[in-house]
Amino acid sequence: KQEVTQIPAALSVPEGENLVLNCSFTDSAIYNLQWFRQDPGKGLTSLLLIQSSQREQTSGRLNASLDKSSGRSTLYIAASQPGDSATYLCAVSQGGSEKLVFGKGTKLTVNP
Amino acid sequence: GAVVSQHPSRVICKSGTSVKIECRSLDFQATTMFWYRQFPKKSLMLMATSNEGSKATYEQGVEKDKFLINHASLTLSTLTVTSAHPEDSSFYICSAQSPGERTDTQYFGPGTRLTVL
Repeated sequence: KQEVTQIPAALSVPEGENLVLNCSFTDSAIYNLQWFRQDPGKGLTSLLLIQSSQREQTSGRLNASLDKSSGRSTLYIAASQPGDSATYLCAVSQGGSEKLVFGKGTKLTVNP
Repeated sequence: GAVVSQHPSRVICKSGTSVKIECRSLDFQATTMFWYRQFPKKSLMLMATSNEGSKATYEQGVEKDKFLINHASLTLSTLTVTSAHPEDSSFYICSAQSPGERTDTQYFGPGTRLTVL
């Protein structure tokens, strides 16, 4: 059974700092990995999707990497801003079922 | 594009009553919709997959008689929590799959906060 772990559970940084969020998964037979953002009491917004054959994806100040063999992904946020404050969720999809398995998320607070 | 709405955004009900949550795809037809449940500091857990015109497929451990899912049209799926109890209090999120896209390309609704007193 696939399990997704995210560390840290919470992170507080000053504005402007670069930061890294971590995601690990137990079964490396994934089809892709996604990073989502969730604001308090809201739904999910997809940030980046990395196919299993890819090593990284970039969107603006966000960069996500994938090391499928070791079961790890990182989300790098450059020059953090207070508006980046949210919970970041990592999810993987298996090659067979295509269902999404989520981690518990990392709650990020960027202080002005 | 690809907007999904949920109604209501919040609902408070008494124990023993039933509550219906609607999930709509506003600008596309969704042959498949998904219902998730999220407890505080826990992962999103898939409850069931809803296909238009057929019975929903429930995940292991989810009571189909308690969580009734109806996907009557290509733009609407409903989740009815029957005989709700305080332990059913949670954040329920739906998502929709656009035709022609993979199942893991899902567009999420804003969620519904259910509180059962």
